[in-house]
Amino acid sequence: GEDVEQSLFLSVREGDSSVINCTYTDSSSTYLYWYKQEPGAGLQLLTYIFSNMDMKQDQRLTVLLNKKDKHLSLRIADTQTGDSAIYFCAETASNDYKLSFGAGTTVTVRA
Amino acid sequence: GAVVSQHPSWVICKSGTSVKIECRSLDFQATTMFWYRQFPKQSLMLMATSNEGSKATYEQGVEKDKFLINHASLTLSTLTVTSAHPEDSSFYICSARVIRENTGELFFGEGSRLTVL
Repeated sequence: GEDVEQSLFLSVREGDSSVINCTYTDSSSTYLYWYKQEPGAGLQLLTYIFSNMDMKQDQRLTVLLNKKDKHLSLRIADTQTGDSAIYFCAETASNDYKLSFGAGTTVTVRA
Repeated sequence: GAVVSQHPSWVICKSGTSVKIECRSLDFQATTMFWYRQFPKQSLMLMATSNEGSKATYEQGVEKDKFLINHASLTLSTLTVTSAHPEDSSFYICSARVIRENTGELFFGEGSRLTVL
């Protein structure tokens, strides 16, 4: 099956930028996603990128995709305390939209 | 974004009983929905793909007689955990794909926490 890996923890100061990294193994990935999960809640779709793109920006969020290295990153500008959550990287490699998830990166924003 | 709603948000039941969880797409039609399971502090594991009007497709290792999935309409899929046991306690989350051209949007419900005593 497809493997998706993320670092488990990230601590960032309020106002700084956060960068969450993800690597995947399946070269046929079609879409790559970033989801946010707050304690006890479901997953909130933050953004996603099609595999033929290398960058996507949406307000404070910037997604970079290096398809050659199979590396995906999410940058959050001006990180706020409300950004503290678990962030999941996920990918789907086929037309059936089954997602393979990373283990999640716990982001802690400190004052 | 599109809204996917699950009900109930949490349920506690006795061992041996069956529990039904609903997943609804509120403002769009979803011919395909997905059911995931998440253990504490772990990632999500796909259980099955729910197809409107046909049988669900289960992932390897998921008992289809244990986890009954019904996708009766374009906006509703249900997961029934039959004869639940404590090891079935988990967070169950559904997702649905917005059927539009040139989009890979996949939205998730709020999740349903099942505790089996």
